[in-house]
Amino acid sequence: EAQVTQNPRYLITVTGKKLTVTCSQNMNHEYMSWYRQDPGLGLRQIYYSMNVEVTDKGDVPEGYKVSRKEKRNFPLILESPSPNQTSLYFCASSLGEGSTPPGANVLTFGAGSRLTVL
Amino acid sequence: GQSLEQPSEVTAVEGAIVQINCTYQTSGFYGLSWYQQHDGGAPTFLSYNALDGLEETGRFSSFLSRSDSYGYLLLQELQMKDSASYFCAVKRDNYGQNFVFGPGTRLSVLP
Repeated sequence: EAQVTQNPRYLITVTGKKLTVTCSQNMNHEYMSWYRQDPGLGLRQIYYSMNVEVTDKGDVPEGYKVSRKEKRNFPLILESPSPNQTSLYFCASSLGEGSTPPGANVLTFGAGSRLTVL
Repeated sequence: GQSLEQPSEVTAVEGAIVQINCTYQTSGFYGLSWYQQHDGGAPTFLSYNALDGLEETGRFSSFLSRSDSYGYLLLQELQMKDSASYFCAVKRDNYGQNFVFGPGTRLSVLP
């Protein structure tokens, strides 16, 4: 089944304890991205990646890191989590610009990871 | 800055037609998308408009007017299962996944 898989789905942690949220897609998608969702704010983009080793900041990158060492994986790293990073996180992927339209514009989302930082 | 505006809530009855508007002000514009999200679920893609006009997909249609920085999602023959949040999203670059999402509109369909 074509999908984007995120882990963990739920996590409660404490301030300052480094954590990684993994994201993996099995659709050979070129593009991947991370969003956080907070009530009343919609989805805000954290980082996105156009290909292996190619990443760029979204609108709210502060406090987050990403890496894209393999095409299928795009982990989100919180080096020193703080309570304001308590949120619902979504990973998404899509085809690249060379695909038949609207391929690159169709985001497939993972199921979400609910993170609580105490 | 980047801003997208949508009504926060819309209520309609089964079988009715509802229109969810989205106005945007962004640094770049290459297209407008719509996503549906049920409570506890992930957003799922509904439509994408790069050019002006109406795109129809079954009961759902999406419209774009680039000159007015405006679009809407039209849902016809509403069903209870359409109760969900709907988000518009602007693609800001002609490559990559540089999207900005609106705050979302919660649609409640009543029997």
